[in-house]
Amino acid sequence: QKEVEQNSGPLSVPEGAIASLNCTYSDRGSQSFFWYRQYSGKSPELIMSIYSNGDKEDGRFTAQLNKASQYVSLLIRDSQPSDSATYLCAVNSGGYQKVTFGIGTKLQVIP
Amino acid sequence: EAQVTQNPRYLITVTGKKLTVTCSQNMNHEYMSWYRQDPGLGLRQIYYSMNVEVTDKGDVPEGYKVSRKEKRNFPLILESPSPNQTSLYFCASSLSNLGDEQYFGPGTRLTVT
Repeated sequence: QKEVEQNSGPLSVPEGAIASLNCTYSDRGSQSFFWYRQYSGKSPELIMSIYSNGDKEDGRFTAQLNKASQYVSLLIRDSQPSDSATYLCAVNSGGYQKVTFGIGTKLQVIP
Repeated sequence: EAQVTQNPRYLITVTGKKLTVTCSQNMNHEYMSWYRQDPGLGLRQIYYSMNVEVTDKGDVPEGYKVSRKEKRNFPLILESPSPNQTSLYFCASSLSNLGDEQYFGPGTRLTVT
């Protein structure tokens, strides 16, 4: 059973701070990694994708991947109240069709 | 507008009454998938399809059927719904099965009494 683990939170950060969201996965053959944001009652939407070790930045968001440690993270700089949502980590194993999601971390940005 | 649509958005039904939730995408995506989302359990994959007439089980396929007769459509069928299938269902599609991002439909909230 391939697993993706996240702390369900809630993670509370003050407005303007850096929010750090973490995810670990069990399948060493995993090759594609995604962060989705899901507002309450809405469908998930892609925030970041990352495929190789290191950092990938897009605006206020930075995804970090460490395949040796089987660890992927999402940093949100200058957090805003509108960032308050649940963040889902998703992992796709190379050559394997199934995508596995973590349970999601609920982020609360306090004004 | 590129989108994934699902119908109905809300459904209340009774145990044993067959139902179908439709899913359609207009992006010419090859890969489509159905998920259910439950509190504390996250998104779990029910079935996926890599192309027309090619489907396979995900993590929780029991009690569900799917078909993929056309590229754009991927209906989810509950032949005999039970209360433990009460959940929020999402259909998703992606360009291929090679690690592309998935686009999600708006969700269908199903209650089985």
